[in-house]
Amino acid sequence: DQQVKQNSPSLSVQEGRISILNCDYTNSMFDYFLWYKKYPAEGPTFLISISSIKDKNEDGRFTVFLNKSAKHLSLHIVPSQPGDSAVYFCAASAREGAQKLVFGQGTRLTINP
Amino acid sequence: DAGITQSPRHKVTETGTPVTLRCHQTENHRYMYWYRQDPGHGLRLIHYSYGVKDTDKGEVSDGYSVSRSKTEDFLLTLESATSSQTSVYFCAISESGGANQPQHFGDGTRLSIL
Repeated sequence: DQQVKQNSPSLSVQEGRISILNCDYTNSMFDYFLWYKKYPAEGPTFLISISSIKDKNEDGRFTVFLNKSAKHLSLHIVPSQPGDSAVYFCAASAREGAQKLVFGQGTRLTINP
Repeated sequence: DAGITQSPRHKVTETGTPVTLRCHQTENHRYMYWYRQDPGHGLRLIHYSYGVKDTDKGEVSDGYSVSRSKTEDFLLTLESATSSQTSVYFCAISESGGANQPQHFGDGTRLSIL
């Protein structure tokens, strides 16, 4: 049972445009959400996070939106740059056992010049 | 970059052999984790440690054991490797187990079991 789902395996966006990556979750106990970025042959690197008490968190070109009623979060990248081409994972944790992250399957983002 | 070193980076072995992967950190973080990454599954937690000699199971712990005798080292052992354990293994660390403390990952070990 996949508690965190990224239903788009891949996404292709033109340089300079907005990239929107989506993530859905089923466990209502999740209260903290993170996005990680992964390049080939490297480990995931932390990008941005959001607590369930917020509906938006912004850090430079990256914004994460959380819709708790829909159990949905999204990562917006504006403007998209070639270096953003990577696999993006969303992850979630519950207050009880916050160290146990549950990851989605990942979305491969390709930024085209 | 967080000071995390995984060794070996690549390993090929045969079914039934024991395998030990090592994670070494220089950050003095309390928490350490082992994940495996497989196509279609993202990353899944195998075991984690919240201090020396303190460990707990994750989502996919069957067939794996761990040990942590020093703060800086966390070992993952496959007692008798099976082909289903072919995967990329990532170690991660965090200062605490709190949700607002992101985990930082090593560069992975690619393990192939023939």
